[in-house]
Amino acid sequence: DAGVIQSPRHEVTEMGQEVTLRCKPISGHNSLFWYRQTMMRGLELLIYFNNNVPIDDSGMPEDRFSAKMPNASFSTLKIQPSEPRDSAVYFCASRGDSSNSPLHFGNGTRLTVT
Amino acid sequence: DAKTTQPPSMDCAEGRAANLPCNHSTISGNEYVYWYRQIHSQGPQYIIHGLKNNETNEMASLIITEDRKSSTLILPHATLRDTAVYYCIVRVGSGNTPLVFGKGTRLSVIA
Repeated sequence: DAGVIQSPRHEVTEMGQEVTLRCKPISGHNSLFWYRQTMMRGLELLIYFNNNVPIDDSGMPEDRFSAKMPNASFSTLKIQPSEPRDSAVYFCASRGDSSNSPLHFGNGTRLTVT
Repeated sequence: DAKTTQPPSMDCAEGRAANLPCNHSTISGNEYVYWYRQIHSQGPQYIIHGLKNNETNEMASLIITEDRKSSTLILPHATLRDTAVYYCIVRVGSGNTPLVFGKGTRLSVIA
């Protein structure tokens, strides 16, 4: 099992550019979560999906952020346009359908917006 | 908001047991206690979870008080690789409710 796979591992971009972060959950997992981590705010939930359907996006900071899950094996988090305050580590996590299944995290994408 | 309180940091000598406390005085009857840890530059890693009975696995032991208002994660023989931030989280056991992370405890294992 390769675990949750995120790409890219690092992303450096200029303010105003579009950024797309990618996630491949563990095969067979039906829930997917996007988190953001900063020194100031810690780990924050942005959005989560169940069976490819967005359930709660109340953590998405603003309309510049969007997330999609076109199928069970792929999700994207897009920021357009990016701003320096979006600099953070973005984590994707997935979980199986048993209510007590643990959450499995990827190793994150470190985004730097200059 | 996180429903748990943890000390911000702790030290432990290598080879000794690390006992990490967590208070969750407002825990509900259907909420489980979960522990995760985050090693520098990695995503959080699941350690263990429990409802009211003590639990043990290959990584750690979880001791939950009888009134369930607090718990302790025990790493029986801490190694330098156990240096990490440890998060205690309470969550309803059913459905797909997400985990809400607090600030955790930064454990430093010292040689």
